[in-house]
Amino acid sequence: AQRVTQPEKLLSVFKGAPVELKCNYSYSGSPELFWYVQYSRQRLQLLLRHISRESIKGFTADLNKGETSFHLKKPFAQEEDSAMYYCALSGGSNYKLTFGKGTLLTVNP
Amino acid sequence: KAGVTQTPRYLIKTRGQQVTLSCSPISGHRSVSWYQQTPGQGLQFLFEYFSETQRNKGNFPGRFSGRQFSNSRSEMNVSTLELGDSALYLCASSPGLAGKPYEQYFGPGTRLTVT
Repeated sequence: AQRVTQPEKLLSVFKGAPVELKCNYSYSGSPELFWYVQYSRQRLQLLLRHISRESIKGFTADLNKGETSFHLKKPFAQEEDSAMYYCALSGGSNYKLTFGKGTLLTVNP
Repeated sequence: KAGVTQTPRYLIKTRGQQVTLSCSPISGHRSVSWYQQTPGQGLQFLFEYFSETQRNKGNFPGRFSGRQFSNSRSEMNVSTLELGDSALYLCASSPGLAGKPYEQYFGPGTRLTVT
């Protein structure tokens, strides 16, 4: 079975502060991990994929297989980062994404 | 490329009725997945189609069904609607090729309200 846990429903930080959104997963094989973001009144959109090891909008995420984590980080939060963030896992060739419950990030001015 | 489109965007149905939702994937994408999003359960996988074949199915009752056409467009049907079926139904498309990262691109959703 595949499971994704995002322990924080809500996270509030001030502009310019570092932010870390936590994601832990459970999967017996080699997972593909993703972060999706949903801004207010917009559709769910792909933010990051672990396989690309990229930085998007200043966000990075590292897959830690030992701790089964894929935390999303940004050194200096901006107000426009306020959104709902979902961590998602795909387990090889089972052709589905399992999502965490999401973390609502609020960046205060 | 145009994004994933879903029709209709909003629906109100009565308990016991049935409903059909439609999804058009990104051009060239052959995989279409459906998800149910509710405040309590979050995003839950319904099923995935690739080249008109269902490759995976979530843990939903048989009242939820889907199909995919040769042009990759997909429909989802819910029969004998229950109040608990009220949700946002999201469609997502992906190239869906084996051995490639399974990233999905989502549509705006269809908001279904059952009264």
